[in-house]
Amino acid sequence: GIQVEQSPPDLILQEGANSTLRCNFSDSVNNLQWFHQNPWGQLINLFYIPSGTKQNGRLSATTVATERYSLLYISSSQTTDSGVYFCAVALFSGGYNKLIFGAGTRLAVHP
Amino acid sequence: DSGVTQTPKHLITATGQRVTLRCSPRSGDLSVYWYQQSLDQGLQFLIQYYNGEERAKGNILERFSAQQFPDLHSELNLSSLELGDSALYFCASSVNPQEAQYFGPGTRLLVL
Repeated sequence: GIQVEQSPPDLILQEGANSTLRCNFSDSVNNLQWFHQNPWGQLINLFYIPSGTKQNGRLSATTVATERYSLLYISSSQTTDSGVYFCAVALFSGGYNKLIFGAGTRLAVHP
Repeated sequence: DSGVTQTPKHLITATGQRVTLRCSPRSGDLSVYWYQQSLDQGLQFLIQYYNGEERAKGNILERFSAQQFPDLHSELNLSSLELGDSALYFCASSVNPQEAQYFGPGTRLLVL
């Protein structure tokens, strides 16, 4: 099956700093999503980005499908950005679309 | 708010018991998915339904079963519960299997 690796596993930032999170996957996919799991456990959709680049406020993401990686950029980080960031991928086939999650990057933003 | 609702938010029960978790997908979404998040296994896919029909199974135990009803809500039934079943159970939905999945707030299950 598809393997998903995220790096770094842990990240500590001062408020206002920028960061880049990486997601590598082992096979072709046609679904890639980034999620933020907040300290209350909620999984919040950040991006649906099987290819290309998208931006949403201070966050942006880029997926290079041919090279099997995706990057999530967080600029001017805030304490509310703390939590775990997950990358998840899937290969849609015949109505079957299970997401395979990476282990996540745990981010702590300090004031 | 993703538009996916799950009840209950928290559930505490004893080993050997049976519980039912409920999920209502976003309006218009036909696909429903269940995932389990535990400390040792991470986030894992359990099962997928599309318009009432089971489409895919993941690492779902035989003690677990699910269904999607005509009104598209779904239920996940967990029976003969064990301590190791303690986890956060998420439901997600999408318009169709090719589109982004949106996750509900989860049900936190504690088996004592």
